[in-house]
Amino acid sequence: GESVGLHLPTLSVQEGDNSIINCAYSNSASDYFIWYKQESGKGPQFIIDIRSNMDKRQGQRVTVLLNKTVKHLSLQIAATQPGDSAVYFCAENRENAGNMLTFGGGTRLMVKP
Amino acid sequence: DSGVTQTPKHLITATGQRVTLRCSPRSGDLSVYWYQQSLDQGLQFLIQYYNGEERAKGNILERFSAQQFPDLHSELNLSSLELGDSALYFCASSVAAGYIQYFGAGTRLSVL
Repeated sequence: GESVGLHLPTLSVQEGDNSIINCAYSNSASDYFIWYKQESGKGPQFIIDIRSNMDKRQGQRVTVLLNKTVKHLSLQIAATQPGDSAVYFCAENRENAGNMLTFGGGTRLMVKP
Repeated sequence: DSGVTQTPKHLITATGQRVTLRCSPRSGDLSVYWYQQSLDQGLQFLIQYYNGEERAKGNILERFSAQQFPDLHSELNLSSLELGDSALYFCASSVAAGYIQYFGAGTRLSVL
């Protein structure tokens, strides 16, 4: 069935290094993709989004890359900090499906000091 | 702080009971969404309201219902509760459909 999934359930990086979190999606009709960060005991927090007509979008210390050819999405975090430790979810949104978000399974990012 | 308020934070109840979860969207947001997060299912979309009207339904059980009131707050009603309904329930809001959804802190429901 249609799904949004993640390649790595847990990613451990050294503080100061760059992190890359990957996500595969199967529905080529998705209009845009969103990355959320969820810290323990909190709700998902919006990080960055990208429309399906874009390949790359940058934010503060984060970059999202979209490869529609292989249906792959990635989130790059530069100079990872301890405060970046959390579970990261990719989600897809389809306007013709009521704009509901379909979430991937999540990747836990652990930052080692 | 996302601006989305959910109450209560925690809810403990017994099987067969009924509970109501409340959500106040961000100021100005007309769309409200409900999601369920469980360990085995991840984050699942339940239902969406826009300005008081139901707009989309996901995998929401018939035992569950929701509504959005004229002041735009929303309530999710869960009845005939089962052990498997134990989960985190999140509300999100957006200005309109297709815009960024901002999530509340969630309500943790424990059915014993």
